[in-house]
Amino acid sequence: AQSVAQPEDQVNVAEGNPLTVKCTYSVSGNPYLFWYVQYPNRGLQFLLKYITGDNLVKGSYGFEAEFNKSQTSFHLKKPSALVSDSALYFCAVRDGRDSWGKLQFGAGTQVVVTP
Amino acid sequence: DTAVSQTPKYLVTQMGNDKSIKCEQNLGHDTMYWYKQDSKKFLKIMFSYNNKELIINETVPNRFSPKSPDKAHLNLHINSLELGDSAVYFCASSHPATGPTDTQYFGPGTRLTVL
Repeated sequence: AQSVAQPEDQVNVAEGNPLTVKCTYSVSGNPYLFWYVQYPNRGLQFLLKYITGDNLVKGSYGFEAEFNKSQTSFHLKKPSALVSDSALYFCAVRDGRDSWGKLQFGAGTQVVVTP
Repeated sequence: DTAVSQTPKYLVTQMGNDKSIKCEQNLGHDTMYWYKQDSKKFLKIMFSYNNKELIINETVPNRFSPKSPDKAHLNLHINSLELGDSAVYFCASSHPATGPTDTQYFGPGTRLTVL
């Protein structure tokens, strides 16, 4: 069975500073990793995913994430945070062995960017 | 607009009632999902359909019954509603041509409140 851990319930950062949201995972087969963002009273929006290849994945709105197999991590990063990045961020994993495998979500990390 | 849409957006009802939530996607996807997001924002998959066939059925009370009249629609019917059913229900869809690497796209959610 797969699992995802987002160790921080909330991340506070000042506008213009780098933003990092942490994610670690556990999966039996090859991991397929995803980041989603949820704005208040909205659905989840896809940011980026890692399937294979380059460990650094670039996504929407200036976000990127780095896959680290040895540390089983997939941290989300943005070089310069904006107030509008304040939202709830979810990391998710899928087991590559299972064609119909479930997308397992982490508990979410609330990002608060202050002006 | 191409999207995943859900109706209604808000649903307030009494315990014991039966209610339905509808989902439609015009993305041409083959696979649709229902997720439940609880009050702590934790997301958990409930069901998944591929081309009208049930492929994922999590440990969900059988008061919940999904129905897929065609591959663009996945409805969720809930019988004998209980207080614990209060949550936000998200529909999602994906095109599984690439199997577990596919990206799921989410609807805006339906906030169900059971009184």
